[in-house]
Amino acid sequence: QVQLVESGGGVIQPGGSLRVSCAASGVTFSTSGMHWVRQAPGKGLEWVAFIRFDGTYEDYADSVKGRFTISRDNSKTTVFLQMNSLRVEDTAVYYCALKGGDNYKWGYFEYWGQGTLVTVSS
Amino acid sequence: EIVLTQSPGTLSLSPGERATLSCRASQSLSISYLAWYQQKPGQAPRLLIYRTSSRATGIPDRFSGSGSGTDFTLTISRLEPEDFAVYYCHQCSSSPLTFGGGTRVEIK
Repeated sequence: QVQLVESGGGVIQPGGSLRVSCAASGVTFSTSGMHWVRQAPGKGLEWVAFIRFDGTYEDYADSVKGRFTISRDNSKTTVFLQMNSLRVEDTAVYYCALKGGDNYKWGYFEYWGQGTLVTVSS
Repeated sequence: EIVLTQSPGTLSLSPGERATLSCRASQSLSISYLAWYQQKPGQAPRLLIYRTSSRATGIPDRFSGSGSGTDFTLTISRLEPEDFAVYYCHQCSSSPLTFGGGTRVEIK
């Protein structure tokens, strides 16, 4: 079965950097687009970033554009989110999600990881 | 940006009752691009419905989706105890991908 396991969350000061990872198994990762979605404590869901299966296309929410970078290593079936210039408002659980819908540009979120908590605080 | 507005914010119902959740889009959407997710406390969201009305793998048939244009609906025909959760609609028609604010279905 599909498994997505995030790691790398933690407490970081405002202005700092952090990289979170998501290891996938049970899926043909090299043909799967991947997303990051976040959820601030007690709040709703916010899409963050998307990367195409081959890494040739990326897309970002305006709130993170220029600060966050999504990347992937298909040989390690892992997707990353590099977060720079972190702000207090970036505090959230960060979920990776597998793109659903083969013929869709972005697709829906077919499978989700359990999430990793990133806390930005001084 | 396509804004999705969910109503009601909270739905208080008893097990066995029917739940009707609404999602309204700020502009017309193809039915291909509307999905619904369920989230229970402390858990990741789970895909319920994609393409407006297609059930995801393992989703029981008491969950159904419908709609077109700007108005979409998730219906739970008879609430089971495990269905009390928060439900989100989502559009993947255009970037930025967006979610509705969620509807909480609570036990009355």
